[in-house]
Amino acid sequence: AQSVSQHNHHVILSEAASLELGCNYSYGGTVNLFWYVQYPGQHLQLLLKYFSGDPLVKGIKGFEAEFIKSKFSFNLRKPSVQWSDTAEYFCAVTGGSYIPTFGRGTSLIVHP
Amino acid sequence: EAGVTQFPSHSVIEKGQTVTLRCDPISGHDNLYWYRRVMGKEIKFLLHFVKESKQDESGMPNNRFLAERTGGTYSTLKVQPAELEDSGVYFCASSQSRGFGYTFGSGTRLTVV
Repeated sequence: AQSVSQHNHHVILSEAASLELGCNYSYGGTVNLFWYVQYPGQHLQLLLKYFSGDPLVKGIKGFEAEFIKSKFSFNLRKPSVQWSDTAEYFCAVTGGSYIPTFGRGTSLIVHP
Repeated sequence: EAGVTQFPSHSVIEKGQTVTLRCDPISGHDNLYWYRRVMGKEIKFLLHFVKESKQDESGMPNNRFLAERTGGTYSTLKVQPAELEDSGVYFCASSQSRGFGYTFGSGTRLTVV
C-alpha cells in the first residue's frame, strides 16, 4: 500500500525566507506525485505534479519540487516566500492505486 | 467553467442526528470522489463513483455512511446517526479521467457536538 509522510506540520517564516517542505512516500513501483495547496477559505488546488521525465518540476506561483527516486522524496521548494503563500500544503501520491494518498498536510504561516 | 460545488459549507449537528452533504461535480466529469480530513490528520479517501456506480468504497468508515449519485450527476453523503468522531472536513473532487485532473470543492466542515 502506498503512504505519504510530511514531516513538517507547522512552519512559520518571514517574507523573503526560503521554503522547503518535506514529503516522503512509500511505494516501490512507478509513482505519480502531487502537491496541493489550500488557501484560507478556498478549495484544494493543484500546485504541481510529477508523472515522468525531468525530476525537477516547476509549478504555479514560483513553486518547484524535486523527485528523488532513491530517497522516495518529493520536496516542495520556493526561494522566497510571500505573505500570500500562507496556506496548507498537501503532498499526494498515486502508485499502487489510482486513488491519491495524501499526507497530513503542512500549515505554512508567512509573516509580513 | 464552474468548479466543484459543495454545500453546506459548514454544518453543526448533535450526536445522533442525521446530516446530508451534497457535491455538484464539474459538468461532464464522470468520476466523483469523496474524501475526509479529521482535524490535523491526512486527507483520507472515502469512495469513488463512476457515473452512478460505486467504483471503490473501501474508505467508507462504517455503515452509518451512505453515499449516492443517482443519475450520475450530483452526489450526496449521508451520515446517520452522526457520532462525535465524524467531525471533520469532507471534500469532494471530480475528474474526467480516472485518477488524473482532480478538481476539488471547498469542502464541508462538519462538527458533531
